Amino acid sequence: AQSVTQLGSHVSVSEGALVLLRCNYSSSVPPYLFWYVQYPNQGLQLLLKYTTGATLVKGINGFEAEFKKSETSFHLTKPSAHMSDAAEYFCAVRRGTSYGKLTFGQGTILTVHP
Amino acid sequence: GAGVSQSPSNKVTEKGKDVELRCDPISGHTALYWYRQSLGQGLEFLIYFQGNSAPDKSGLPSDRFSAERTGGSVSTLTIQRTQQEDSAVYLCASSKATDTQYFGPGTRLTVL
Repeated sequence: AQSVTQLGSHVSVSEGALVLLRCNYSSSVPPYLFWYVQYPNQGLQLLLKYTTGATLVKGINGFEAEFKKSETSFHLTKPSAHMSDAAEYFCAVRRGTSYGKLTFGQGTILTVHP
Repeated sequence: GAGVSQSPSNKVTEKGKDVELRCDPISGHTALYWYRQSLGQGLEFLIYFQGNSAPDKSGLPSDRFSAERTGGSVSTLTIQRTQQEDSAVYLCASSKATDTQYFGPGTRLTVL
């Protein structure tokens, strides 16, 4: 079985500040890990993913995440927040090299203050 | 190119009625998934199709829920005898085999 825990249902930062959204996972097999973003009344958009290889992955809009197996973590970061980053972010895990059922965390709402 | 589309975007129904939700995947995507997003339960997997077959229906919450996919393309999620707890946003996603899933905008279902 797989599970995802996102620490903090709400995160608030100032524009220009570091964004850090935390994600820890549990998986009995090597995982594939994803971050998705959801803007109001829209579907989910993929930010980045880790499958194999380099553990630091870069995504769209300046986001990146690092897979740390020893910590079972996949935290999402962005050096400088922009107002347009305000949205809900979901971390998800999937069994590697298997069919694609995603298990999602509960989501973190990011608020960016001017 | 065109993304995943879903219809209707919003559906309001009365308790006890049946509803059908439609998903048009990205052309060429063999895999199709349905998820449900609700305030209390977050994002939950419902069912997965590979081609026209559904090897994993484990997320369907009750036998009132069913889904089919025809021609390896369009899928319909049917909810019979709707209940208020069925109110949620139903999201569809598609992918090439086990690749990245691309999501549609969702159908917001409200059961009165």
